[in-house]
Amino acid sequence: DTGVSQNPRHKITKRGQNVTFRCDPISEHNRLYWYRQTLGQGPEFLTYFQNEAQLEKSRLLSDRFSAERPKGSFSTLEIQRTEQGDSAMYLCASSLAQSGTDEQYFGPGTRLTVT
Amino acid sequence: AQSVAQPEDQVNVAEGNPLTVKCTYSVSGNPYLFWYVQYPNRGLQFLLKYITGDNLVKGSYGFEAEFNKSQTSFHLKKPSALVSDSALYFCAVSLSTTSGTYKYIFGTGTRLKVLA
Repeated sequence: DTGVSQNPRHKITKRGQNVTFRCDPISEHNRLYWYRQTLGQGPEFLTYFQNEAQLEKSRLLSDRFSAERPKGSFSTLEIQRTEQGDSAMYLCASSLAQSGTDEQYFGPGTRLTVT
Repeated sequence: AQSVAQPEDQVNVAEGNPLTVKCTYSVSGNPYLFWYVQYPNRGLQFLLKYITGDNLVKGSYGFEAEFNKSQTSFHLKKPSALVSDSALYFCAVSLSTTSGTYKYIFGTGTRLKVLA
């Protein structure tokens, strides 16, 4: 299966710890997105990359959050000094396009629980 | 504020009956509209999109959606529901920004239950 993969699938951490998630997009896709989804809500856009450039960041992406996509391939999302409010499902998606009309292919998500 | 609304948390329909899942949007400019479906323990899957042209868009699994600019709606429809259509459905919009990039807004989702 060459879909979008995310690791780990589940992460439990204590408040104040740092966590890092990885996303491997579909190999030929040039665009990669990060979302956060909490129970009963739709995905909330965090940021997206076109190749290695981070083009758009949501206000939700506080200074404790940082995302990278070195060499335009996989991406990492790091949360520093985690808080209980960070508990959510973190979704990654990728697409192949040059505009906002592209459909996104989502990974299974990483569920973060902050205790 | 720009937003996407799915006014129904849950829609129940009998198998074989037509279904409609509602979506309205409030954005400036011309939006690009999408529907995604989420099955339990699986990632979101693309169903269909409206970019321009014909207001009736056909997508995967027999679903279609009707874009209505005057009512700012993009309702998802299917003529005959299957039990296997039971899932969580999300409407989404893509918006261009002043810097030439895009941001994406999803609705809160509607749970569809198709009863046998």
